[in-house]
Amino acid sequence: KNEVEQSPQNLTAQEGEFITINCSYSVGISALHWLQQHPGGGIVSLFMLSSGKKKHGRLIATINIQEKHSSLHITASHPRDSAVYICAVRGGADGLTFGKGTHLIIQP
Amino acid sequence: NAGVTQTPKFRILKIGQSMTLQCTQDMNHNYMYWYRQDPGMGLKLIYYSVGAGITDKGEVPNGYNVSRSTTEDFPLRLELAAPSQTSVYFCASSRGGASEKLFFGSGTQLSVL
Repeated sequence: KNEVEQSPQNLTAQEGEFITINCSYSVGISALHWLQQHPGGGIVSLFMLSSGKKKHGRLIATINIQEKHSSLHITASHPRDSAVYICAVRGGADGLTFGKGTHLIIQP
Repeated sequence: NAGVTQTPKFRILKIGQSMTLQCTQDMNHNYMYWYRQDPGMGLKLIYYSVGAGITDKGEVPNGYNVSRSTTEDFPLRLELAAPSQTSVYFCASSRGGASEKLFFGSGTQLSVL
């Protein structure tokens, strides 16, 4: 069973700071997802990665398959980025294994 | 497109009661999932379906049942509700499985008292 660890668990930063959230997993995977859970509870998919790097607006996601590690970066952070960021990995079957999430607060 | 619609948003049940959480999607996705999210824990898969008429157990299926009679609908049935089923439930769908983008419903907060 894959173990997914996210760090940090909690992060408070000032508006404008560069944010990095990390995700490590124990077993080789075919895909990794980054999700955003809003304060109201809704979950939105940000990225799905199998290799390399993806960018969408101020968000950048990278994955290193050999090191079993992925990072989510937020440039020029803003209070509206405050949310829980969740990493999830796909192993063999159709389910995903989820990390516990990183609680991010961006203060004005 | 409404995406994934999940109802109800909130529900309180008494121990032993039953209920059905409804989930429907209008994206013609083959794959649908039910997850539960407990405080401080990652989401866990309850059941999933790869198409109409096909369902399979996930990591935590005990106490739940599902059916998939149409591509659009994937209801989750709780029989004999127990306090351990107090959780937030999310329905999700994807076009081609867990290696494709997931679309989530807005969640159902269920309390069993």
